[in-house]
Amino acid sequence: NAGVTQTPKFRVLKTGQSMTLLCAQDMNHEYMYWYRQDPGMGLRLIHYSVGEGTTAKGEVPDGYNVSRLKKQNFLLGLESAAPSQTSVYFCASSLIGDEQYFGPGTRLTVT
Amino acid sequence: GIQVEQSPPDLILQEGANSTLRCNFSDSVNNLQWFHQNPWGQLINLFYIPSGTKQNGRLSATTVATERYSLLYISSSQTTDSGVYFCAVHNDYKLSFGAGTTVTVRA
Repeated sequence: NAGVTQTPKFRVLKTGQSMTLLCAQDMNHEYMYWYRQDPGMGLRLIHYSVGEGTTAKGEVPDGYNVSRLKKQNFLLGLESAAPSQTSVYFCASSLIGDEQYFGPGTRLTVT
Repeated sequence: GIQVEQSPPDLILQEGANSTLRCNFSDSVNNLQWFHQNPWGQLINLFYIPSGTKQNGRLSATTVATERYSLLYISSSQTTDSGVYFCAVHNDYKLSFGAGTTVTVRA
């Protein structure tokens, strides 16, 4: 099993550009999550999903949208990137809201 | 939301030393996880521990849910133990993270 994978690993955007981050899991987990990590801080929850076709807001949802069209994939979109969205983005999944497993992260820089 | 506080913020160890990291949380939680973030940024699951004590090699963890704290013990530390250790508490299927303890193990 590959576990949780994220695409891309690195990305540089200009202010105002858009992009989509892809998270995929092969563990048949119901729940998926997107977090961001800023320097010197723990992770903060952006959005999450408790099953295919569902999404919900987390702690810091502004400026992001998500979709869960397939159980194994969870997409995070930035419609108009801002420098404040420079961060490392982590995706995670869990079977039924229990132990969470994390992907390797995506380092995003917005100039 | 739930507040999660970790101490100490930084820890420098000589190889072979033992240490204890602490995690306090402000409210009742469903569960708790400890992670190690290695120098390459990868988050590694260490323990999933709602209460009691678990051991995995040189690492062990104890959670006392009624008193709202958890401890992570590192024994006979090695340079590969360096990195940031995060405590995260489960509430309504979501995780709330502490700010982490940065551990540096010197050879």
